[in-house]
Amino acid sequence: GAVVSQHPSRVICKSGTSVKIECRSLDFQATTMFWYRQFPKQSLMLMATSNEGSKATYEQGVEKDKFLINHASLTLSTLTVTSAHPEDSSFYICSAPDRNTEAFFGQGTRLTVV
Amino acid sequence: SQQGEEDPQALSIQEGENATMNCSYKTSINNLQWYRQNSGRGLVHLILIRSNEREKHSGRLRVTLDTSKKSSSLLITASRAADTASYFCATDYSGTYKYIFGTGTRLKVLA
Repeated sequence: GAVVSQHPSRVICKSGTSVKIECRSLDFQATTMFWYRQFPKQSLMLMATSNEGSKATYEQGVEKDKFLINHASLTLSTLTVTSAHPEDSSFYICSAPDRNTEAFFGQGTRLTVV
Repeated sequence: SQQGEEDPQALSIQEGENATMNCSYKTSINNLQWYRQNSGRGLVHLILIRSNEREKHSGRLRVTLDTSKKSSSLLITASRAADTASYFCATDYSGTYKYIFGTGTRLKVLA
């Protein structure tokens, strides 16, 4: 079945640095991908829609200058958390819809900012 | 917010018992999915049910969808300790597979 690979699975970074998270669709092309964030003991919240070849669409309350999204190819979207702070520590997960079937989720990235 | 509500928020049962979780949503949907998430891990897809379907089964799982009531339920029969996890419903309102997740139910199955 369709697979979405997310990398890295865990990352620890220092406050003020930037972190890039990759989301790849391995055996299908995805013109759209979605990024979610999950704080401990909470549900997943949609952050943004990544669109291949155009700007991402951000949900209300998500800072687009802080969470940079690039969808440079039909199989890769990246989320860069810029100038990360401890409050950005969270579980980030992407999904990519295979248009003929359903959306497939990556394994998630646990970001810890120290 | 379009976020769906799930109840109960937490459920603790004995192994072998059935567990039922409910999800209510706010507007018409294209499809709804149920996911399981073990603590600190990624999502495990359980069942997708489309708006024109009323019931689906997969092993010990049974999902129902009542579009008139804007609700869905997940039934896990003969539960096992390994079923201990958080369960989320996720609704697709637009048919684009952009999902809005429910608040989740934390299930604990006691051995």
